Amino acid sequence: KAGVTQTPRYLIKTRGQQVTLSCSPISGHRSVSWYQQTPGQGLQFLFEYFSETQRNKGNFPGRFSGRQFSNSRSEMNVSTLELGDSALYLCASSLSEGDGYTFGSGTRLTVV
Amino acid sequence: GQSLEQPSEVTAVEGAIVQINCTYQTSGFYGLSWYQQHDGGAPTFLSYNALDGLEETGRFSSFLSRSDSYGYLLLQELQMKDSASYFCAVRDQDDKIIFGKGTRLHILP
Repeated sequence: KAGVTQTPRYLIKTRGQQVTLSCSPISGHRSVSWYQQTPGQGLQFLFEYFSETQRNKGNFPGRFSGRQFSNSRSEMNVSTLELGDSALYLCASSLSEGDGYTFGSGTRLTVV
Repeated sequence: GQSLEQPSEVTAVEGAIVQINCTYQTSGFYGLSWYQQHDGGAPTFLSYNALDGLEETGRFSSFLSRSDSYGYLLLQELQMKDSASYFCAVRDQDDKIIFGKGTRLHILP
């Protein structure tokens, strides 16, 4: 079966711009979560969606937002980009907690 | 605050056994997970401990002790392909997912 698909794989933006990243979960998975990964901070939880509802949110500013559609596909948006937003953004989907999360390959965002 | 602590790096010899520890300071959580990530790759799920005790999956085992706020991942018969970063993770009582900063495992031939 297809895995978690994230698009685009790479992105270069300038400060002040906004960006939208997309994630298609594994078919049947209704839980989608997003993470920011940087060398210094590791994996940091951004937010999680379940059946189109935001289940919880990590400690990120309001510039980071997301949504989930009825087909479980999810998008995250970052507005007013800052240099510090440069990171690998990972999306993961899950059937249940005990089954673990399946991660996509990520979107590498570079802000210049 | 709530955090998971892991050693930043561990080195072991091919064929040996290595243990990667994870200690946590969270007031409550729903279970401990472990993930492996190779350079340039995505994290992949290894194991989940919902209850105290040992879970075994092939060469990998994971252990949880809630009373000691401690867990570990045990890798046996190390192979060069096991060189990667390993992350522990929990869902805390606020329903947020917390990852440790990862342990980079170096394997020597």
